[in-house]
Amino acid sequence: EAQVTQNPRYLITVTGKKLTVTCSQNMNHEYMSWYRQDPGLGLRQIYYSMNVEVTDKGDVPEGYKVSRKEKRNFPLILESPSPNQTSLYFCASSRPGNNQPQHFGDGTRLSIL
Amino acid sequence: SQELEQSPQSLIVQEGKNLTINCTSSKTLYGLYWYKQKYGEGLIFLMMLQKGGEEKSHEKITAKLDEKKQQSSLHITASQPSHAGIYLCGADRTQGGSEKLVFGKGTKLTVNP
Repeated sequence: EAQVTQNPRYLITVTGKKLTVTCSQNMNHEYMSWYRQDPGLGLRQIYYSMNVEVTDKGDVPEGYKVSRKEKRNFPLILESPSPNQTSLYFCASSRPGNNQPQHFGDGTRLSIL
Repeated sequence: SQELEQSPQSLIVQEGKNLTINCTSSKTLYGLYWYKQKYGEGLIFLMMLQKGGEEKSHEKITAKLDEKKQQSSLHITASQPSHAGIYLCGADRTQGGSEKLVFGKGTKLTVNP
């Protein structure tokens, strides 16, 4: 089954404790992205990657890092999480082109205390 | 930067009623995507529109893109409780690429039995 898999689905942690949210897709997609979704602000792009070793900032990259060492994986790293990073996070993947919808994972609900 | 305005923000309808959700952009839309999200869950791809005047249907949901490619509408006929959720429109920011999407803030639909 074609899918984007995120782990963990839920995480409660404390300020300053480094964490990584993993994302893996099995569709051989070139493009991958991370979004965060917050009430009243909608879905905002954090980082995206157009292929292996090619990443770029989205709209809200501060406080986040990403890497794309393999085509299927695109982890999101919070080196020193803070409470304002409490949010619902989504990973997505797609093929290149304007007629290629992004496929989303089920989301990771992150709470930073 | 391009922004997408969705209206209404929320909608409560009686089962069996028709409804329309709008998505408006200040700039030309290169690729327009409609997604549905159950509360706190992942985004499910519904339809994609690319050409001016294009219209697509799936079951009781019809999406249209106007000729100027700056406004899209999502119409649900004879709504059912299963249609409840948050509907999001998303658009490619650049011509030829789906790596950077901008999203509207969503329309929350409630269908009362």
